[in-house]
Amino acid sequence: GAVVSQHPSWVICKSGTSVKIECRSLDFQATTMFWYRQFPKQSLMLMATSNEGSKATYEQGVEKDKFLINHASLTLSTLTVTSAHPEDSSFYICSAKRGTSNQPQHFGDGTRLSIL
Amino acid sequence: DQQVKQNSPSLSVQEGRISILNCDYTNSMFDYFLWYKKYPAEGPTFLISISSIKDKNEDGRFTVFLNKSAKHLSLHIVPSQPGDSAVYFCAASSTGGTSYGKLTFGQGTILTVHP
Repeated sequence: GAVVSQHPSWVICKSGTSVKIECRSLDFQATTMFWYRQFPKQSLMLMATSNEGSKATYEQGVEKDKFLINHASLTLSTLTVTSAHPEDSSFYICSAKRGTSNQPQHFGDGTRLSIL
Repeated sequence: DQQVKQNSPSLSVQEGRISILNCDYTNSMFDYFLWYKKYPAEGPTFLISISSIKDKNEDGRFTVFLNKSAKHLSLHIVPSQPGDSAVYFCAASSTGGTSYGKLTFGQGTILTVHP
């Protein structure tokens, strides 16, 4: 099956620092990548849709300046949590999708972010 | 507004029996549906999907049924195995417009298969 790699898997950092999370599709070109956030015992909440070569589309309530998304190539999207605070602590998961519509999204293994 | 609902938080099944996981949706624009399996601290793993032009799709032990009039889909696992124990999420998307196929997830159902 399709492989999506997410790095790092776990990061702990001080409040006020910025953290970058990478998402790579290893065996296919991903026109579209998605970033989700999951709170404990809750479902996955879509944060933004990232299209290669264009600006990301953010869901309502997600701060664009807080969560910077870059999709510079067909195999790499990055999420940067800027000036992170403890309330940003969460499980962040990316997914990648091939170009056509009726194709499943394939997910990375997620990044556990803990802000002290 | 929960557009995709999994009303059973948990399900317990004996090994070898059938597991039936249910999902309801409210958005009539949804036309592609998926089931994912997830372990703690891992990303979801794609299991099976179905397009709205079908009412059934089968892949090995997994079968998904779609009832468009009732806006209901279900995942059947036969026979259930202890390794199937995980959280199962249903998800839906609208393939038209500028949605880029973004998914709306249900809340998940914890399946436990007992030996």
